[in-house]
Amino acid sequence: RKEVEQDPGPFNVPEGATVAFNCTYSNSASQSFFWYRQDCRKEPKLLMSVYSSGNEDGRFTAQLNRASQYISLLIRDSKLSDSATYLCVVNANNFNKFYFGSGTKLNVKP
Amino acid sequence: GAVVSQHPSRVICKSGTSVKIECRSLDFQATTMFWYRQFPKQSLMLMATSNEGSKATYEQGVEKDKFLINHASLTLSTLTVTSAHPEDSSFYICSARDLGENYGYTFGSGTRLTVV
Repeated sequence: RKEVEQDPGPFNVPEGATVAFNCTYSNSASQSFFWYRQDCRKEPKLLMSVYSSGNEDGRFTAQLNRASQYISLLIRDSKLSDSATYLCVVNANNFNKFYFGSGTKLNVKP
Repeated sequence: GAVVSQHPSRVICKSGTSVKIECRSLDFQATTMFWYRQFPKQSLMLMATSNEGSKATYEQGVEKDKFLINHASLTLSTLTVTSAHPEDSSFYICSARDLGENYGYTFGSGTRLTVV
């Protein structure tokens, strides 16, 4: 079983739509969770950390469900510029080692 | 925020030659840096953890004699792909964490290696 699993998509949504991605992780001892955004042929960039209490940054909301071992990312009022691949990142037992999901591709259409 | 500079961004080399990729933390010191590889439509896979002043730690399946890592200073780690083959063609990315910040890891801009 993979450490981190994501639906690869693509999610094709119209501008203004709300879209949500989930990411499941296998190690119940994982402590740190992040969502990264990766544009085609570019490096990943941190979108937001995921806290136990959940966190919101503008149109983006991240949630953690420890009981079911998944994290989620909600994007409201989608913009064309949100089109990218969203990577879920979870740390391993060794705090310095992180595992990446394979990414979920989002296409926002006009 | 923290900035990680990676060079070169693209390199094309002939089979059998070696290629060196540099990763620098520009405004912070990084005792640990990480090297990832990403094949098309796949996720980033951790190759090795680079430790300043000591040997790198390689992930299972990664040949340490083929992928040489040197982390001689607190701001520079290098990855050398030795005797490159076409199957080594990939996107190589380094990352580091500024311990003074709590913003996850910062990635270099990546190096697209093509071996012909």
